[in-house]
Amino acid sequence: DIQMTQSPSSLSASVGDRVTISCRASQRIGTHLNWYQHEAGKAPKLLIYGASTLQSGVSSRFSGSGSETDFTLTISSLEAEDFATFYCQQSFSAPHTFGRGTKVDIK
Amino acid sequence: QVQLQQWGPGLVKPSQTLSLTCAVSGSDVASRTAAWTWIRQSPSRGLEWLGRTYYRSTWYYDYGTSMKGRMTIIPDTARNQFSLYVSSATPEDTAVYYCVRADCSGLVCYLDSWGQGSLVTVSS
Repeated sequence: DIQMTQSPSSLSASVGDRVTISCRASQRIGTHLNWYQHEAGKAPKLLIYGASTLQSGVSSRFSGSGSETDFTLTISSLEAEDFATFYCQQSFSAPHTFGRGTKVDIK
Repeated sequence: QVQLQQWGPGLVKPSQTLSLTCAVSGSDVASRTAAWTWIRQSPSRGLEWLGRTYYRSTWYYDYGTSMKGRMTIIPDTARNQFSLYVSSATPEDTAVYYCVRADCSGLVCYLDSWGQGSLVTVSS
């Protein structure tokens, strides 16, 4: 199985901060990398697919970059509704494994 | 608009079989550009990809390594739904389970439509 390693596992930030989350794959996956936001009590929400394509309806303050083994999710200016847990997922080969998540909370 | 509605017992006894069903509207389970997936979420494991089924002239199945052969996904084209069965349930299977559609129409697959989630507790 492909292992996905996210860092950091948690971070504290303030509204307006720029936030960067990293995701590393244990083998090359091209751009088969997706990002999700999960708020407690809700279904996860797709933010980015194909490493850098913004899902329809998602705010442009979210962006993704990277390829092969190293990927980044950036929130350009954190808003109150962004405090949640973020997950990367590879869809290069089954099983389509997730990272362990990065929890973003209020500083 | 694709919608998924899931249901099943919220409490399962250890060693019994956990089962959930997901009804799909706005898409076809036999679609050649979708995959029908089960995900679970727990505080200890985060999001965990459990498995999927998809139709490409025949039915295909992929299962996560962690399930170690205990898991089965069954599509039902007549009812346009799909079901999850996890045998020999243990307390470690306690989680919120989601049925999800993966859109595989482009170069990559991604999980774009989610059911509402079902909390399943494995306890005697």
